[in-house]
Amino acid sequence: DAKTTQPPSMDCAEGRAANLPCNHSTISGNEYVYWYRQIHSQGPQYIIHGLKNNETNEMASLIITEDRKSSTLILPHATLRDTAVYYCIVRVGAGNQFYFGTGTSLTVIP
Amino acid sequence: GAVVSQHPSRVICKSGTSVKIECRSLDFQATTMFWYRQFPKQSLMLMATSNEGSKATYEQGVEKDKFLINHASLTLSTLTVTSAHPEDSSFYICSATDTIGSPLHFGNGTRLTVT
Repeated sequence: DAKTTQPPSMDCAEGRAANLPCNHSTISGNEYVYWYRQIHSQGPQYIIHGLKNNETNEMASLIITEDRKSSTLILPHATLRDTAVYYCIVRVGAGNQFYFGTGTSLTVIP
Repeated sequence: GAVVSQHPSRVICKSGTSVKIECRSLDFQATTMFWYRQFPKQSLMLMATSNEGSKATYEQGVEKDKFLINHASLTLSTLTVTSAHPEDSSFYICSATDTIGSPLHFGNGTRLTVT
């Protein structure tokens, strides 16, 4: 089962930063937080992942709280193509299984 | 890099027939592959985990005799939906990784419609 909770939906104005929160209060010390997004009728796309330090790549930034119980994905300048369902995932156990929660449906508004 | 190819992207079959879906890792060796199913407006549900050369591990509630998984090589896994019924109509997605802890890379899914 998914170990994360996310708000079901969010809106963001085009060009503004989109901040997507995720709670993972039962995360273990060696478990990474991964973020994916899924555009309608496509496979999920990897965005970013992290353990405890903040991470940034060409797509997004990931901010993880010091107690690691929550994180925020930041899309710095949202575009219409960023409209998608965003999933925050904590890998479970040693088997590398990824269990998807319900995700956040982000709508970028012109 | 890290491309996962899934084929076919869309298939329609008649009730009672079997359908095979292929998942290939194009530029890496996938020691582990995962199969997911997604119904409309729902999240992805993990069906099974398959490791190359060994039997797949199925999630609770997933019928192993109905959803046959074969992972015969480090670049290919197949999912066969046997004796398909309309309720098996869904979006099936595979994913793969080369090492434990690395991000999963997903195929673009197969839309199965059983008539």
